[in-house]
Amino acid sequence: KAGVTQTPRYLIKTRGQQVTLSCSPISGHRSVSWYQQTPGQGLQFLFEYFSETQRNKGNFPGRFSGRQFSNSRSEMNVSTLELGDSALYLCASSLDGVGDTQYFGPGTRLTVL
Amino acid sequence: DAKTTQPPSMDCAEGRAANLPCNHSTISGNEYVYWYRQIHSQGPQYIIHGLKNNETNEMASLIITEDRKSSTLILPHATLRDTAVYYCIVRAIASSGSARQLTFGSGTQLTVLP
Repeated sequence: KAGVTQTPRYLIKTRGQQVTLSCSPISGHRSVSWYQQTPGQGLQFLFEYFSETQRNKGNFPGRFSGRQFSNSRSEMNVSTLELGDSALYLCASSLDGVGDTQYFGPGTRLTVL
Repeated sequence: DAKTTQPPSMDCAEGRAANLPCNHSTISGNEYVYWYRQIHSQGPQYIIHGLKNNETNEMASLIITEDRKSSTLILPHATLRDTAVYYCIVRAIASSGSARQLTFGSGTQLTVLP
């Protein structure tokens, strides 16, 4: 079974731009969670989607948003990029998110100049 | 979710067993112990998890003490490719249906030496 895939793998943007990242979960998985990882803050939870609904949200500003499609694929969007948004963005999928194992994708490395 | 404490770094000789400890003294009865590892700049990789019994899979063994306040991840024959940051996480199984995000600490940097 194919793992979690994320596209693109690398991205360079400038301040003020917006960006959209994509995540395809493992086949059959309905929950997708997004995390941001930076050297200073470690791995931080952004939000989780299940059946096209945001079910849980971390402590990030409204510039960070996401959505999930009927095939469980998910996208996250960051508007008005700031230098501090440079990070590895990780997506994880699980069957239903309620306590079962999350499997991570390879991540998207975003650099904001 | 309960907090965990791990040593910041450990070394292990190639071919030897790597034993990574984790303290989770405030763990609750409905919380599992999960282990992930992250090789530099890649996504975290799930290794193993358990509730109170010892667990083994093709990657590792997990030993949980009887009082569940600590656990040890064992890589039986470490290779250079096992060099990574290892994260121990405790996570409740939510009964309400709401999602439970993973909370990662600082982890243990395991370096396997040739």
